[in-house]
Amino acid sequence: AQSVTQLDSQVPVFEEAPVELRCNYSSSVSVYLFWYVQYPNQGLQLLLKYLSGSTLVKGINGFEAEFNKSQTSFHLRKPSVHISDTAEYFCAVSEQAGTALIFGKGTTLSVSS
Amino acid sequence: DAGVIQSPRHEVTEMGQEVTLRCKPISGHDYLFWYRQTMMRGLELLIYFNNNVPIDDSGMPEDRFSAKMPNASFSTLKIQPSEPRDSAVYFCASRPENRHTGELFFGEGSRLTVL
Repeated sequence: AQSVTQLDSQVPVFEEAPVELRCNYSSSVSVYLFWYVQYPNQGLQLLLKYLSGSTLVKGINGFEAEFNKSQTSFHLRKPSVHISDTAEYFCAVSEQAGTALIFGKGTTLSVSS
Repeated sequence: DAGVIQSPRHEVTEMGQEVTLRCKPISGHDYLFWYRQTMMRGLELLIYFNNNVPIDDSGMPEDRFSAKMPNASFSTLKIQPSEPRDSAVYFCASRPENRHTGELFFGEGSRLTVL
């Protein structure tokens, strides 16, 4: 069975600082990996996804993530955050032959000035 | 496209009452998913449908929960009777048949409070 572990429940950072949100997954088969963002009182929006090919994936709002198969990780990074990046971030996995996404418990990113 | 539409956005009810949450997926999407979000458990998959047929309901917590999809443009999630521990945000999501993209499109959620 698949599972996703987001290692940090809360990450506070100052504006313009770099940030990394960590995600590890477990699966016995090949997977697709995703990062979603949830702003307050809204649904989830896709930030970026890894399906195949280059292990460095670029998404919206300046975010990127790197797929590391040997470490079963898919960490999300941004070199310089803004106040508007304050949100909940979810890592998710699905089997390539499967259908449903399994989500981690989320990481709250709080950006302050 | 209008996106995935959920109603009601907020529902406050008393323990023992029946609750019905509704979802209209994006037109042309063949898969529909119901998720529940709580602080303790995060986002849990409850059930999903393909072409209106339930495929996996192993995440439905108990018999008090039921979900239907009578046609391609409408689904309901019903809780009867409701309990305080059912308080959560319930999300509906949909996606097209092409499984290789994997991306789900979420509604804005229905926040349920059971007193």
